[in-house]
Amino acid sequence: QIQLVQSGAEVKKPGASVKVSCRTSGFTFTSYGISWVRQAPGQGLEWMGWISVYNGDTKYTQEFEGRVTMTTDTSTSTAYMELRSLRSDDTAVFFCARAPPTVPTLFAFDHWGQGTLVTVSS
Amino acid sequence: DIQLTQSPSAMSASVGDRVTITCRASQGISKYLAWFQQKPGTVPKRLISTASSLERGVPSRFSGSGSGTEFTLTISSLQPEDFATYYCLQHNSFPLTFGQGTKLEIK
Repeated sequence: QIQLVQSGAEVKKPGASVKVSCRTSGFTFTSYGISWVRQAPGQGLEWMGWISVYNGDTKYTQEFEGRVTMTTDTSTSTAYMELRSLRSDDTAVFFCARAPPTVPTLFAFDHWGQGTLVTVSS
Repeated sequence: DIQLTQSPSAMSASVGDRVTITCRASQGISKYLAWFQQKPGTVPKRLISTASSLERGVPSRFSGSGSGTEFTLTISSLQPEDFATYYCLQHNSFPLTFGQGTKLEIK
């Protein structure tokens, strides 16, 4: 079955970086993309960006542009999201979700990781 | 960027009620809207894709409609397990955007 398994919770200090992993199985990783979604405590869902495993394209929202890097490792079918210059308001659960390989109209998020809590605190 | 506005932001209803949640897009997105249900501490679950296609395994009391800029999610007869927060998502173009959510509570 299709699974996306994320790395465990992290605690970071302001100004530090965090790298969250999303290990996938049950589908052909290189035929898809991965999106990342942030959810602050008690808040809504916020799309951060997308990487195409298929062709390496990336799209980031303006809010995260310059501070986030999304990468993939096809040898392990794993996607990564690195967020730098962490602030206290980055404290959130970060989700990965399976996404289309090219245009977003192909489908919306059909499978999600379990989420990774990142706490930013001094 | 395309903005999605959900209404209401919160509502209370009773078991058995018919409930409708609206999602309005700031510009046309054709049929590329999905609805998600999220319960506290859990992963969002896709209920409906491309505005009206019900996910396999989702009860038929859920339905979606709309195209262009106005979309609705309807629950025909609320069940206790339906009390949750609902989000719409447009995937017509990057950047993808979510609505702010509708929290459905028990009256």
